[in-house]
Amino acid sequence: AQSVTQLDSHVSVSEGTPVLLRCNYSSSYSPSLFWYVQHPNKGLQLLLKYTSAATLVKGINGFEAEFKKSETSFHLTKPSAHMSDAAEYFCVVSDRPLNTDKLIFGTGTRLQVFP
Amino acid sequence: DSGVTQTPKHLITATGQRVTLRCSPRSGDLSVYWYQQSLDQGLQFLIQYYNGEERAKGNILERFSAQQFPDLHSELNLSSLELGDSALYFCASSLHRDQGNEQFFGPGTRLTVL
Repeated sequence: AQSVTQLDSHVSVSEGTPVLLRCNYSSSYSPSLFWYVQHPNKGLQLLLKYTSAATLVKGINGFEAEFKKSETSFHLTKPSAHMSDAAEYFCVVSDRPLNTDKLIFGTGTRLQVFP
Repeated sequence: DSGVTQTPKHLITATGQRVTLRCSPRSGDLSVYWYQQSLDQGLQFLIQYYNGEERAKGNILERFSAQQFPDLHSELNLSSLELGDSALYFCASSLHRDQGNEQFFGPGTRLTVL
């Protein structure tokens, strides 16, 4: 079965410093992987997605993620954090064996950005 | 704004009651998904409809049911409510049913069961 593990429940960074949110996945198939962001009291927004094209995926707001099959990882990075990046981030895998768009969410990483 | 609308925004009700949550997908999207977000269970997929037909089921309780109407809006019905059903319920939509399609999420309905 597909699954994702977000290795950190909380990450704190200073504004202007790099962000790294870690995600490992488990899949018997070539997965579709996503990062979604949820700001307080808001719905979820897609940051970026990987669907077997380029392994380095660029998303919105300066975020990017690299798909590493050998490490079964899909870590999210940003070179310089902004205060507005403070939110909950979810690593997500699409449940391919059922050939649907059923999304399986990680437990989330809360990103705090200090001035 | 994702283009997905959900009503109501907030719902407060009592145990044993029944409620209906409504979702309108983005214009042109054929698939609708329902998710539940709670503190102890995280974000969980409940059910998917594609063009009016049930496509996939997740961790949806038997007390819960959903449907998608000809105009593609969807309703999630929750009955015999329990305290543990208190959660944020999200609806999402996508154009197709295939892998890798981006899902657009609505703002959610916050359900509180007292």
